[in-house]
Amino acid sequence: QVQLQESGPGLVKPSETLSLTCTVSGGPISSYYWSWIRQPPGKGLEWIGYFYIYNSGNNNYNPSLESRVTISVDTSKNQFSLKLSSVTAADTAVYYCARGNSHEYSYYFDSWGQGTLVTVSS
Amino acid sequence: DIQMTQSPSSLSASVGDRVTITCRASQGITTYLAWFQQRPGKAPKSLIYAASRLQSGVPSKFSGSGSGTDFTLTITSLQPEDFATYYCQQYNSFPFTFGGGTKVEI
Repeated sequence: QVQLQESGPGLVKPSETLSLTCTVSGGPISSYYWSWIRQPPGKGLEWIGYFYIYNSGNNNYNPSLESRVTISVDTSKNQFSLKLSSVTAADTAVYYCARGNSHEYSYYFDSWGQGTLVTVSS
Repeated sequence: DIQMTQSPSSLSASVGDRVTITCRASQGITTYLAWFQQRPGKAPKSLIYAASRLQSGVPSKFSGSGSGTDFTLTITSLQPEDFATYYCQQYNSFPFTFGGGTKVEI
């Protein structure tokens, strides 16, 4: 059974770049859509974006974050990462990585990491 | 963006009860609808995709229905571990969006 584990700094200073990695075990990183989702404390879920390895690699980001987000995949390490630049306190959240499985022309989340809290503060 | 509206935002129930949660999309999403369960302090758990298909390992006490803009999640015979917050999510078009959640409380 696939397992996902987020890692990275729990505290980031305002205006700096948030960097997280998700390590995938128990399954291949190819053939799936790899996403990041976040949840501010006490609030709902927000999809950040995804990366798909095939077709020379393609991705799609939430327009609300697109100018600041990069998601990439390292197949040699079975990992994918999130970079979010110019962070503010509004980016404080629990960040989850998730695996997307194909459903016709789209994909649904079938596995989630446990989540990691990132606080933006000086 | 497609807006997902869940109702109610919270409900009280007892062990053994049957509960129904509704989710409405601001535009048609055919059956590109998923449901998740989130217990306090835990990651979401995938329950249903394609509006009515159970994820592997999810008990049949959970069921989903609907198509287009109106969807429901039904949980039968509530057990203590079912008291959690439930979210719907559309994956018909980008950006994917989630409902605001329904908290099922004792």
